[in-house]
Amino acid sequence: SQTIHQWPATLVQPVGSPLSLECTVEGTSNPNLYWYRQAAGRGLQLLFYSVGIGQISSEVPQNLSASRPQDRQFILSSKKLLLSDSGFYLCAWSLGENQPQHFGDGTRLSIL
Amino acid sequence: QQQVKQSPQSLIVQKGGISIINCAYENTAFDYFPWYQQFPGKGPALLIAIRPDVSEKKEGRFTISFNKSAKQFSLHIMDSQPGDSATYFCAASTPGQNFVFGPGTRLSVLP
Repeated sequence: SQTIHQWPATLVQPVGSPLSLECTVEGTSNPNLYWYRQAAGRGLQLLFYSVGIGQISSEVPQNLSASRPQDRQFILSSKKLLLSDSGFYLCAWSLGENQPQHFGDGTRLSIL
Repeated sequence: QQQVKQSPQSLIVQKGGISIINCAYENTAFDYFPWYQQFPGKGPALLIAIRPDVSEKKEGRFTISFNKSAKQFSLHIMDSQPGDSATYFCAASTPGQNFVFGPGTRLSVLP
């Protein structure tokens, strides 16, 4: 069966510091991968998605970037964090477009 | 046209009652409608989904009702339990477009 792992579960970072969040999927090949952000008590905002290695599409211009160095690895990065980057970051995968998306348990990011 | 509207924002139901959450959309090209359940501190989990070739889908206590002409779909939770207390998100998608999520409904089931 397929599983998705995100780490770390929680992270506290100072303003201006770099960021690297990692997501890996097991049990499937060539999945679509997604990064979402969820503000407290709010809905899901799609940040990036990828249909293959090295292929990244950005949905919202921002201080963040994404990379997919391997088929089942998706990384969310920032060179300098802003206070507004605080939130709950979720990684998800699917077998293709218009197919069920399956989420990891997220990373709670707090910027001080 | 890409929005999915969801109501109510919050819902309180007594144990054993029926919880009903409604969603509406404008884009007639949407052809996949999933519902997700999210507990605090966890990622959303796929609960049940429907495609527009059927008007209803039932899985255990959870039922999706779909009205294509009205462009609406709803989640019904029968015999609601305190363990169902969570935030529920509807979504819609179509080929060539990523999921569009509703803003969520916070459900509280009182014991």
